[in-house]
Amino acid sequence: DVKVTQSSRYLVKRTGEKVFLECVQDMDHENMFWYRQDPGLGLRLIYFSYDVKMKEKGDIPEGYSVSREKKERFSLILESASTNQTSMYLCASSVSGRYNEQFFGPGTRLTVL
Amino acid sequence: AQKVTQAQTEISVVEKEDVTLDCVYETRDTTYYLFWYKQPPSGELVFLIRRNSFDEQNEISGRYSWNFQKSTSSFNFTITASQVVDSAVYFCALNRGAQDDKIIFGKGTRLHILP
Repeated sequence: DVKVTQSSRYLVKRTGEKVFLECVQDMDHENMFWYRQDPGLGLRLIYFSYDVKMKEKGDIPEGYSVSREKKERFSLILESASTNQTSMYLCASSVSGRYNEQFFGPGTRLTVL
Repeated sequence: AQKVTQAQTEISVVEKEDVTLDCVYETRDTTYYLFWYKQPPSGELVFLIRRNSFDEQNEISGRYSWNFQKSTSSFNFTITASQVVDSAVYFCALNRGAQDDKIIFGKGTRLHILP
């Protein structure tokens, strides 16, 4: 069974903290994605990685950075968490090549106090 | 620019009723792909279907069916004889461009199936 796992289902952090969200996939997929999901806004792409050490900004990269040192792992970093980053964060992966479906992790609900 | 519109924010139907979720898209590409995903209360998005722009045949999978019409730029999703387990948020999506692995999602339709 294909699997995308995220390090935490729920996370509570304080304003100004550095936050790491980890995502691991076991499907040997080239592509990995980070989205945030907010009510009424749907899924918005934060960052995309198409290979190890390769990354591309999505629609809302401000306040975030990413790291992909190994093919199976894609980390989202909030350098200095703010309350407006309270959200559901979803990781996904896909085979390289256009039009392939994405496989999603269960999500991390982050609350920044 | 690519755009996906799901005008229905929330729908409630009684179990066993049929329900159609609307999806309208905009693209200038001649080759494109459309997707539907389901997000149950557990949170994990599940892929349901992919349809390319050259295939306008309707697709049926059990109680699910999809109606793709290029003339109206729509890719609607119908659940027949709905069940409580169909309660979820459903997202329609479109690939972002001809050379792009990324997709753009609609804002989703929350479907409530009432027992």
